[in-house]
Amino acid sequence: NAGVTQTPKFQVLKTGQSMTLQCAQDMNHEYMSWYRQDPGMGLRLIHYSVGAGITDQGEVPNGYNVSRSTTEDFPLRLLSAAPSQTSVYFCASSHPLGEPSYEQYFGPGTRLTVT
Amino acid sequence: ELKVEQNPLFLSMQEGKNYTIYCNYSTTSDRLYWYRQDPGKSLESLFVLLSNGAVKQEGRLMASLDTKARLSTLHITAAVHDLSATYFCAGRRDDNNNDMRFGAGTRLTVKP
Repeated sequence: NAGVTQTPKFQVLKTGQSMTLQCAQDMNHEYMSWYRQDPGMGLRLIHYSVGAGITDQGEVPNGYNVSRSTTEDFPLRLLSAAPSQTSVYFCASSHPLGEPSYEQYFGPGTRLTVT
Repeated sequence: ELKVEQNPLFLSMQEGKNYTIYCNYSTTSDRLYWYRQDPGKSLESLFVLLSNGAVKQEGRLMASLDTKARLSTLHITAAVHDLSATYFCAGRRDDNNNDMRFGAGTRLTVKP
């Protein structure tokens, strides 16, 4: 199993550009989520999905879109990049809601810089 | 308001010493999670605490949960350099929701 994979590892964007961060998992997890991590802060939840076709907003959703067409993939779209979106982005997946342990598995991260 | 607060945020300790990291939470769910992050790396799950009084141990780390006090602790015993990392606690908003909130992290440095 590859676990949770993310591409790209690094990305530099200009203000106003759009792009999609890719996330895939091969563990048949129903739950997937996107976080951002800024220096000196913990992770903040952007969007999450409890299954194909179902997404919801987290703590900091503005400026980001998600969709979930398959169980495996959960892309994160930046519509018009802003310097405030410079961050490290982590994707995570876990067993379905209701599983007692709900242990999350994290991808390696994407370091995004917006100039 | 949903909050997960850790202290201390920075911890420098000598090898062989003991110390405790504290995590206070105000999320509705009483399930509490601890993660470790090495510099430039992703997060690794350490412990999942599911009920009041839960205690889990792995090597020199021991985590506990007091749901009445809404407090979890991560105790380090006889620290070694390899434990140097940032440790995060996290809680779910409630048991029916996967909205996770993380503490700001405790950056632990273990010196010889």
